[in-house]
Amino acid sequence: SQQGEEDPQALSIQEGENATMNCSYKTSINNLQWYRQNSGRGLVHLILIRSNEREKHSGRLRVTLDTSKKSSSLLITASRAADTASYFCATRSGGSNYKLTFGKGTLLTVNP
Amino acid sequence: DTAVSQTPKYLVTQMGNDKSIKCEQNLGHDTMYWYKQDSKKFLKIMFSYNNKELIINETVPNRFSPKSPDKAHLNLHINSLELGDSAVYFCASSQTGWGYYEQYFGPGTRLTVT
Repeated sequence: SQQGEEDPQALSIQEGENATMNCSYKTSINNLQWYRQNSGRGLVHLILIRSNEREKHSGRLRVTLDTSKKSSSLLITASRAADTASYFCATRSGGSNYKLTFGKGTLLTVNP
Repeated sequence: DTAVSQTPKYLVTQMGNDKSIKCEQNLGHDTMYWYKQDSKKFLKIMFSYNNKELIINETVPNRFSPKSPDKAHLNLHINSLELGDSAVYFCASSQTGWGYYEQYFGPGTRLTVT
């Protein structure tokens, strides 16, 4: 069954603006990961946040996790046309060391 | 160097045929996965192998049979292909252990069944 749900399904912004994508999930997790997929390509891991962490940064990416609300957000600052891609959140539930459950993704379009 | 590679990249075949997709990783990981991504981009786990042992087998028709000859390779064989099998299939790999780790994906194999 699907665990993560990204919101919005699609987002269109201008270069230089910030983009925020949200992910909600249903059951308890031990970590949450964000991936990017460029058109016609495989997924690329962006960032992993553990259930005992609240915020994590990597370059222009900032991820927050609120386990009480079962939600996470991915912020991309100063967006570039090259950030145009689909972004997926994936959760790893406790007791399932190997299985990641992916959401449906947010399609981000950054217009030059 | 390609970390996770898949062949072929595109596969067009007719209903009823049998086909295989191959996957290799050179990252030294001992866990590998097959995912199916449908036309709406929904990504679903199909199988996972750890050190050549099957550890995840989701509700996949038994026409799909994974095989792992060694921990660097995980192949997917599909018998009696159906129209609904058309999708992009991704192979991935990761480290193992009770820790936290990301998955590395291959470029995908776009399967079209006509």
